[in-house]
Amino acid sequence: EAGVAQSPRYKIIEKRQSVAFWCNPISGHATLYWYQQILGQGPKLLIQFQNNGVVDDSQLPKDRFSAERLKGVDSTLKIQPAKLEDSAVYLCASSPGSGGYTFGSGTRLTVV
Amino acid sequence: GEDVEQSLFLSVREGDSSVINCTYTDSSSTYLYWYKQEPGAGLQLLTYIFSNMDMKQDQRLTVLLNKKDKHLSLRIADTQTGDSAIYFCAESRGTALIFGKGTTLSVSS
Repeated sequence: EAGVAQSPRYKIIEKRQSVAFWCNPISGHATLYWYQQILGQGPKLLIQFQNNGVVDDSQLPKDRFSAERLKGVDSTLKIQPAKLEDSAVYLCASSPGSGGYTFGSGTRLTVV
Repeated sequence: GEDVEQSLFLSVREGDSSVINCTYTDSSSTYLYWYKQEPGAGLQLLTYIFSNMDMKQDQRLTVLLNKKDKHLSLRIADTQTGDSAIYFCAESRGTALIFGKGTTLSVSS
């Protein structure tokens, strides 16, 4: 079974620029998650989708972050404008709905 | 929300047992998980335990769960240098995973 695919693997941008990350979950997994992992910390949930609907986005900084999951499959996470403190690894995960979480390799974002 | 708490560092010698502790917050968590993360790598699921169990053993790994105290531990027997990594405890809240800050395990030969 193919894993959770994420791209790009690495991204370096200047502050105030915008950036987008892409995630392709495991086929058939209804639930998709975006996590932010800042260096030295555990992953923090940003947003959770069930099919193409948002279940929880309480930790998403909505003034600059946005995410969508069109057609309930792929998802994109966007940051506009980026700040220095957004430097982190952005992890995508999917699950069939009850446990069975699979994580992608992540996108490492550096904001300079 | 409330945090999942873990001690930050643990240092052991090769061949010793390692015990990593975690305190979680949601008494209704159905599953509790342990993940391993090596430098520059993704999250690897090590093991998990269902909330109605007290203990689960999987080769060198033993998970103990104390629901009353909301305490979870991971014991690694015969710790090897390849076990050096960051270990994350996670609880299921609803259908999402909530992680602790991670415990860095350092194994010296």
